[in-house]
Amino acid sequence: DAGVIQSPRHEVTEMGQEVTLRCKPISGHNSLFWYRQTMMRGLELLIYFNNNVPIDDSGMPEDRFSAKMPNASFSTLKIQPSEPRDSAVYFCASSPLAGGNTGELFFGEGSRLTVL
Amino acid sequence: AQSVTQLGSHVSVSEGALVLLRCNYSSSVPPYLFWYVQYPNQGLQLLLKYTTGATLVKGINGFEAEFKKSETSFHLTKPSAHMSDAAEYFCAVNAGKSTFGDGTTLTVKP
Repeated sequence: DAGVIQSPRHEVTEMGQEVTLRCKPISGHNSLFWYRQTMMRGLELLIYFNNNVPIDDSGMPEDRFSAKMPNASFSTLKIQPSEPRDSAVYFCASSPLAGGNTGELFFGEGSRLTVL
Repeated sequence: AQSVTQLGSHVSVSEGALVLLRCNYSSSVPPYLFWYVQYPNQGLQLLLKYTTGATLVKGINGFEAEFKKSETSFHLTKPSAHMSDAAEYFCAVNAGKSTFGDGTTLTVKP
């Protein structure tokens, strides 16, 4: 079975440019999470969706960040405009949401973003 | 509210020695507990989890963890370290949504 698929794996851009990160969750999973990982701040939850609906976006750092989930098989995280401090690895994770869900997360391999 | 504390951001052991990575949690409701492992340039993957039942949980690659409610702990152990165990390990608690610890980097010396 295919796992969580993220693209691009690596992105290098210049300050001020728009960045779009993409995620395809595992088929049948109803919850999707976006995390950011940095050396300084560790693993931070940015936003999560249940059944395509954003539930908690309190971790989104600024209005420059936005996330969408137009359908059950696709989500995007957009940064506009990007800044050097946004440089990090961004992870998407999915989880089944149903009776008996134990909250286990399935992670993608991450998108490493470098903003110059 | 829930939180996770991993004691020791770096742990170094010799190959063949016991691995012990410490995790303490707080949660207002009975939580589910997890250990994840992250190898360089990869995402996190599940090592083991505790939901209900037996408090000693066995996972992949010879790791196990014991849930101790009275101590609010979920320490990860492996009797004999292997070079391939070198990675970063994250403890997580889920009582509605997942909260991760800061991670512990395990180094295995030959």
